[in-house]
Amino acid sequence: AQSVSQHNHHVILSEAASLELGCNYSYGGTVNLFWYVQYPGQHLQLLLKYFSGDPLVKGIKGFEAEFIKSKFSFNLRKPSVQWSDTAEYFCAVKYTGGFKTIFGAGTRLFVKA
Amino acid sequence: GAGVSQSPSNKVTEKGKDVELRCDPISGHTALYWYRQSLGQGLEFLIYFQGNSAPDKSGLPSDRFSAERTGGSVSTLTIQRTQQEDSAVYLCASSPPGRNQETQYFGPGTRLLVL
Repeated sequence: AQSVSQHNHHVILSEAASLELGCNYSYGGTVNLFWYVQYPGQHLQLLLKYFSGDPLVKGIKGFEAEFIKSKFSFNLRKPSVQWSDTAEYFCAVKYTGGFKTIFGAGTRLFVKA
Repeated sequence: GAGVSQSPSNKVTEKGKDVELRCDPISGHTALYWYRQSLGQGLEFLIYFQGNSAPDKSGLPSDRFSAERTGGSVSTLTIQRTQQEDSAVYLCASSPPGRNQETQYFGPGTRLLVL
């Protein structure tokens, strides 16, 4: 079955620490990949996306993600987190030819000031 | 401009009652999605609309769940004979046509509690 797995449910970091959130998806052909973020009290919003081309994509607020096809992974990174990055992060995948987007269970990030 | 809106924000109902949840997508967005987010879970896909038709209803958990979209705009999700396990946040998202069609814009959700 098509699925998305996020490795960490909760992550706690101090400001200026580096961040990497893992995301793996099951094989199912060509994919479009997304990271969405939900800040406290706000709607889910797109952080970045990969459709094709350069496997290293850059998003808003200094976030980036790397698509590694051989590992079915799309990990999210940020070199130096800020307190304002405290949020829940969702990895999502859409398999080409299908209509649904499959979301991971989310990772809650808490950044200590 | 206005984003995706959903109503009501919160709904408390008794087991066995029917509920209707409404979604107003961003004007001009042709695609509309419904998701369910249960406590501690990710987003569970329910249904997808392209215009008024629903080519993918595969996520609806049972025949108590139905959805419609009229005029290519507003959508309602109806849950009949609600059960306690239906308690969740129901999220709606819409997407524009064209090159950004894969980007979904989410509403604030309706928090449903079935007692």
